[in-house]
Formats: sequence, C-alpha cells, structure tokens
Amino acid sequence: SAVISQKPSRDICQRGTSLTIQCQVDSQVTMMFWYRQQPGQSLTLIATANQGSEATYESGFVIDKFPISRPNLTFSTLTVSNMSPEDSSIYLCSVDDRGNGYTFGSGTRLTVV
Amino acid sequence: AQSVTQPDIHITVSEGASLELRCNYSYGATPYLFWYVQSPGQGLQLLLKYFSGDTLVQGIKGFEAEFKRSQSSFNLRKPSVHWSDAAEYFCAVGVDYSGGSNYKLTFGKGTLLTVNP
Repeated sequence: SAVISQKPSRDICQRGTSLTIQCQVDSQVTMMFWYRQQPGQSLTLIATANQGSEATYESGFVIDKFPISRPNLTFSTLTVSNMSPEDSSIYLCSVDDRGNGYTFGSGTRLTVV
Repeated sequence: AQSVTQPDIHITVSEGASLELRCNYSYGATPYLFWYVQSPGQGLQLLLKYFSGDTLVQGIKGFEAEFKRSQSSFNLRKPSVHWSDAAEYFCAVGVDYSGGSNYKLTFGKGTLLTVNP
C-alpha cells in the first residue's frame, strides 16, 4: 500500500502566522486530499488537489485561508494562513491507494496560541 | 447530500467480549463503505472496505463488517476484543464526484471504544 510521509508531525504557532504542511507519497497518485480533524471531532474534507490544476475546495473552505500546492504526482502542501486558535486541529493528507481505499498520513497536530 | 451516522459516541466492553459498532449512511446511489481506526495520537488505518459483491467483508485485526442495503447499515463486528483494540473508530462513505471511479470520503463522528481488563 502507499506510504505517506507528512510533516511536521506537530507544531505550536502564534496567531496571525502561517504554517505549511508537507505530504510526500511513495508512488504517483492523481488526487491528493486534505482533511481537518478538530479536537474531539470527525474528519472534514478541506480540498482535493489534482496535479496541474487548482485545488477544489469544499464548502466552508477558501483558497486564501488554505492555499494548496501540487507541483507533481507525489507531493502536495497545505498552508494554514493567518492562523487563529480556531485553526487548532489535526490536518491529514490522504490518497486513493490504487482502488484499495484511502491511505492517510500520520497527521499534523497544530496548536495556535 | 450524503451523511454517515454513528449512533454510539462511546462504547465500553470487557476484554474478550464481542463488539458491534453501528454505522448508518444516507446516500442516493450504491455506496463505497469503509471503517477506519485511529489510535491516540495516530493517523487513520483502514480496517476494511466494501465496494461491491459479498456483503460480509473481512478486514484486518479480526474485524468484519456487513453491508445491509435494506437498513442502510454497515456495522463493524469483532468476536473477541483485545485491549489493544481501544481506539476511535470511524465509518465513512465514498461519494462519487466525477462520474467515474473517483470518490471522496464523508466520515461519521466516530465511536470511542474503551476496553476494560
């Protein structure tokens, strides 16, 4: 199955700053997905990143707040911009593992103070 | 719009007892269904999935799930729970978004499993 490396694994950031999360996959994939898991909550899809085109954002998420890059078929970044304490969450990237279901990275635990 | 309901927020069982975690979905087409487990501080691990065919699917770690279309359910079961099974369990439905084989996941709110010795 696909192996996803996600970093950083955790970070504590000051409000008003930005954090970029990286996701590296050990195989080429068409789509990469970014999720947010707020404390004690389920996972919510932020956006879908397709190589060579702009990401598609879900309702309630906007590009200015969560810009995404997808420079090639194995890598993507998610930036959380102008952070506030409400952005404190776990952020996870995910890929479709060759039709075998979705594989997730280990997540980035973000705390905004 | 699609949705996933996990009615039980928290379940406690004794080690060695049987387990059933409930999942109901709402989706207008044939769903893809998944169960994931998340241990504390960890990412999500796929336990099993249903795409089509046999409605009873076997997964890793001794788990199984049964798809019941008439009840819109996909309950997860394990005959004998081990202490290491304590974790949060998420049911998810895969929703087709491109008219092909591409789909994205909608998750339930999760069920936290506590295992007593």
